[in-house]
Amino acid sequence: DSGVTQTPKHLITATGQRVTLRCSPRSGDLSVYWYQQSLDQGLQFLIQYYNGEERAKGNILERFSAQQFPDLHSELNLSSLELGDSALYFCASSVVAVISYNEQFFGPGTRLTVL
Amino acid sequence: QKEVEQDPGPLSVPEGAIVSLNCTYSNSAFQYFMWYRQYSRKGPELLMYTYSSGNKEDGRFTAQVDKSSKYISLFIRDSQPSDSATYLCAMSFNSGYSTLTFGKGTMLLVSP
Repeated sequence: DSGVTQTPKHLITATGQRVTLRCSPRSGDLSVYWYQQSLDQGLQFLIQYYNGEERAKGNILERFSAQQFPDLHSELNLSSLELGDSALYFCASSVVAVISYNEQFFGPGTRLTVL
Repeated sequence: QKEVEQDPGPLSVPEGAIVSLNCTYSNSAFQYFMWYRQYSRKGPELLMYTYSSGNKEDGRFTAQVDKSSKYISLFIRDSQPSDSATYLCAMSFNSGYSTLTFGKGTMLLVSP
């Protein structure tokens, strides 16, 4: 158990809908990352937050957005869902210390199925 | 060309074999190189990380980085059925705030 929790585990929804995925980082970790994993593309970085502020953006679609709240949990919002959005969504967290290496700890993931 | 290339496998070996997993990359600015293991329906977990070129050993696992060739390897000695998983290489530009770029992963199957 990495200490990172994600809810829900599974989500089945229809095209055009909107869903929210939730992540709670490990205690003490200030940085949260979101990744999408599909068979086609592998594990792709979407977005990073550090202590409530957006820190880096990757291959995140405009239909997707995220935020990190004062208690450091994060939510990933996916809207106008398409069949191709079906994937595993992982959250990871790390203690960001500039000097030393920062291991990212991954949660168990949310499996999203869009029908 | 993707930034990080990794053969998806599957790679099937008998128990006790030495396994070699590899990745190539195109961006010479990568400095940190990681190997993650992912069991089916689980999140990736870090196995090892290496800074710049060189070797690093941890038990049955050895990671090698050759920056001149843009090539990294993970060797598993005395492979066990419990090693059956997908192995993902990952890289970052620096350690502090840097995000990770992953290979697609190689599925390893170790048969008893």
